Amino acid sequence: EAQVTQNPRYLITVTGKKLTVTCSQNMNHEYMSWYRQDPGLGLRQIYYSMNVEVTDKGDVPEGYKVSRKEKRNFPLILESPSPNQTSLYFCASSSWGEYGYTFGSGTRLTVV
Amino acid sequence: QKEVEQNSGPLSVPEGAIASLNCTYSDRGSQSFFWYRQYSGKSPELIMSIYSNGDKEDGRFTAQLNKASQYVSLLIRDSQPSDSATYLCAVNKDNNNDMRFGAGTRLTVKP
Repeated sequence: EAQVTQNPRYLITVTGKKLTVTCSQNMNHEYMSWYRQDPGLGLRQIYYSMNVEVTDKGDVPEGYKVSRKEKRNFPLILESPSPNQTSLYFCASSSWGEYGYTFGSGTRLTVV
Repeated sequence: QKEVEQNSGPLSVPEGAIASLNCTYSDRGSQSFFWYRQYSGKSPELIMSIYSNGDKEDGRFTAQLNKASQYVSLLIRDSQPSDSATYLCAVNKDNNNDMRFGAGTRLTVKP
């Protein structure tokens, strides 16, 4: 089944404790992206990647890191999480030239 | 001005009615336009895409695009309670897979 897999689905952590949210797609998509979704603000792009080893900042990159060492994986790293990063996170992928995204199931992160 | 604007709603329609969802965008050079449906607690799901002016129909859904007015809409005919969800409008600016999303309109279809 074609899908984008995110883990974990739910995470509660403490301020400053490094964490990684994994994202993997099995569709051989070139383009991958991370979004956060907050009430009233919609989906805001954090980072995106057009292909292996090519990443770039989105609209809200502060406090986040990403890497794209393999085509299928695009992890999101929070080196020192803070409470304002409490949010619902989505990973998405698409094939180059086909602009509709496939989204992962989401990760609900709470930083206390 | 937000890049993609939607009325947050909630929009409430009776079962069987036509639901009309609207979206405006600021970048006149935008090329591709999308509607996603998001059920509460779930991820967005692509339901319609439109690239040229006019109407595009898919089952009970019709997307309408007017580039001169920078306006996209989604019509849902014969609305069902299962259509109750938040609908996200998305715009691709530069044909490079970079998508901008509106905040979404919450639709409730009452039996």
